[in-house]
Amino acid sequence: DTAVSQTPKYLVTQMENDKSIKCEQNLGHDTMYWYKQDSKKFLKIMFSYNNKELIINETVPNRFSPKSPDKAHLNLHINSLELGDSAVYFCASSRGRGQHFEAFFGQGTRLTVV
Amino acid sequence: AQSVTQLDSHVSVSEGTPVLLRCNYSSSYSPSLFWYVQHPNKGLQLLLKYTSAATLVKGINGFEAEFKKSETSFHLTKPSAHMSDAAEYFCVVSLPDSSYKLIFGSGTRLLVRP
Repeated sequence: DTAVSQTPKYLVTQMENDKSIKCEQNLGHDTMYWYKQDSKKFLKIMFSYNNKELIINETVPNRFSPKSPDKAHLNLHINSLELGDSAVYFCASSRGRGQHFEAFFGQGTRLTVV
Repeated sequence: AQSVTQLDSHVSVSEGTPVLLRCNYSSSYSPSLFWYVQHPNKGLQLLLKYTSAATLVKGINGFEAEFKKSETSFHLTKPSAHMSDAAEYFCVVSLPDSSYKLIFGSGTRLLVRP
């Protein structure tokens, strides 16, 4: 009965490969997010979807492409991986877009590019 | 522009002594503020949130925080530290002028000495 689940938990891959990270939430939330946590633990938003519509797209290389097939899923596809993409990626969801809504986070996917 | 600043990158306390983790925000609007905790190799868990109701907010595990508009602060406190409190703590702000995305502080690592 995990609320926000991501797969895989660990991902080790070579440069220039293409990989995907999947995220599912069973909370009935309308809004989902991808965050990136770097080696210094700093967390920055990458994307946000509300009811399958992209609403936030930070300055992320276009090698990163989110896809939301339905409200409960938000996947992240990364093309042509680079060493600098190594990080922990967190999926999150919230009940809505408003200021008062907290986000619920998954356990993270640790991506290592070698 | 930095919206949220955590003043200490590391805080070390002895078990049983009080905890104070400092956070300041900058905003022209009335913010929503959150504290999240991240235990090693885990996801982020919400400790508490302030959304313009009571200025003293109580959270889980004995933590509380006080919103002080005059000082633009939202410091996290706990009367007595427990070994299990050792983790990374993030102060987070949500602002209407940033599309309501959660903006994370740089984090404070809490160390608890036996």
